[in-house]
Amino acid sequence: DAKTTQPPSMDCAEGRAANLPCNHSTISGNEYVYWYRQIHSQGPQYIIHGLKNNETNEMASLIITEDRKSSTLILPHATLRDTAVYYCNRAGGTSYGKLTFGQGTILTVHP
Amino acid sequence: DGGITQSPKYLFRKEGQNVTLSCEQNLNHDAMYWYRQDPGQGLRLIYYSQIVNDFQKGDIAEGYSVSREKKESFPLTVTSAQKNPTAFYLCASLPTAGVGETQYFGPGTRLLVL
Repeated sequence: DAKTTQPPSMDCAEGRAANLPCNHSTISGNEYVYWYRQIHSQGPQYIIHGLKNNETNEMASLIITEDRKSSTLILPHATLRDTAVYYCNRAGGTSYGKLTFGQGTILTVHP
Repeated sequence: DGGITQSPKYLFRKEGQNVTLSCEQNLNHDAMYWYRQDPGQGLRLIYYSQIVNDFQKGDIAEGYSVSREKKESFPLTVTSAQKNPTAFYLCASLPTAGVGETQYFGPGTRLLVL
């Protein structure tokens, strides 16, 4: 039973916005949505997280639908260095201790 | 500099041998985690610990063991019972077992079987 569902791969042109979707239709009311990314052979890097409001930081924006069943990570001006695997995760409440990850989306930014 | 350190970066294991991967954090985090990553795959949870002297199995605990005698240390032993140990191992920590916190990851240890 997958906790989150993401497309396996996406492409984006350099300088354009990259919009990465995530489905978390069974999310409970006290669970947050988290996004991480992993560049080859390194540990995952935290990007952003949110509960129900849209969030923005220096790296990205997170748009969460009103019913909280899905979200989109937006990299507003993708660069070649944004090529990585992006993981969407959910955690909080009673599930917080056991943090698991899905397969992620391989984002390839091309010139 | 606060963070998570994992050692060694590369580790070689002979058939039938136990090996221990080190994970240390100086972030004063309560919870610590071990994940395994195979080539082209996502992260799978091996063990996690939310408090000293307590830990729980993740999704793929067979063939692995852990201890949590100190808050800052969470070593992982890959035993001879783990028949396919070649993988990238990641350690992570979390400030508290509460909502809204983020996980911090170490640089990883790559284990290879000779």
